[in-house]
Amino acid sequence: GENVEQHPSTLSVQEGDSAVIKCTYSDSASNYFPWYKQELGKRPQLIIDIRSNVGEKKDQRIAVTLNKTAKHFSLHITETQPEDSAVYFCAASTESGGFKTIFGAGTRLFVKA
Amino acid sequence: GAGVSQSPRYKVAKRGQDVALRCDPISGHVSLFWYQQALGQGPEFLTYFQNEAQLDKSGLPSDRFFAERPEGSVSTLKIQRTQQEDSAVYLCASSLVGEGRGNEQFFGPGTRLTVL
Repeated sequence: GENVEQHPSTLSVQEGDSAVIKCTYSDSASNYFPWYKQELGKRPQLIIDIRSNVGEKKDQRIAVTLNKTAKHFSLHITETQPEDSAVYFCAASTESGGFKTIFGAGTRLFVKA
Repeated sequence: GAGVSQSPRYKVAKRGQDVALRCDPISGHVSLFWYQQALGQGPEFLTYFQNEAQLDKSGLPSDRFFAERPEGSVSTLKIQRTQQEDSAVYLCASSLVGEGRGNEQFFGPGTRLTVL
């Protein structure tokens, strides 16, 4: 069945450094890849997304890259700040037959001040 | 405007009890999703509605789980004869399909279900 693998499960960086989270997906029909940030006890919130016809997208300090051939995509956060500390989830969604979304297991990011 | 709301926020059930979880999506959102999130894990897809039609229920773990959205707005996830392994946060999300960033899902706060 469909699967999304996410690495690393935990990431600790110093404030100001960059953080990179990587995901791979199995369903070649996937064409929409959102990233969600979930703070402790709160709901997941979309931070950036990318569609399959684009290789890279940037929004201020965050960027996402997509390699459809290799079926992997990555989240890059530059100039990290303590408030970036949270759990980040990647996901892959397929439009055909609906918008079933498969999430990765999450990456817990710690940004040390 | 109002976001996605869910009720109750917390539910404690005795093993074997039936529970019903409610989701109020954002007004006008066509798509509605239910997810199960275990502690320390990502949301796991349960089922998906487009308006009142349940287009995908492949993620429902057993026939004890049932979801409906009879008028294409509010949805209810029902779990019969709850088991301890059903303990999790149940998240509802809605999205506006087919318009620009139609895939973006907006999540509710979740219902934390604890089965004793």
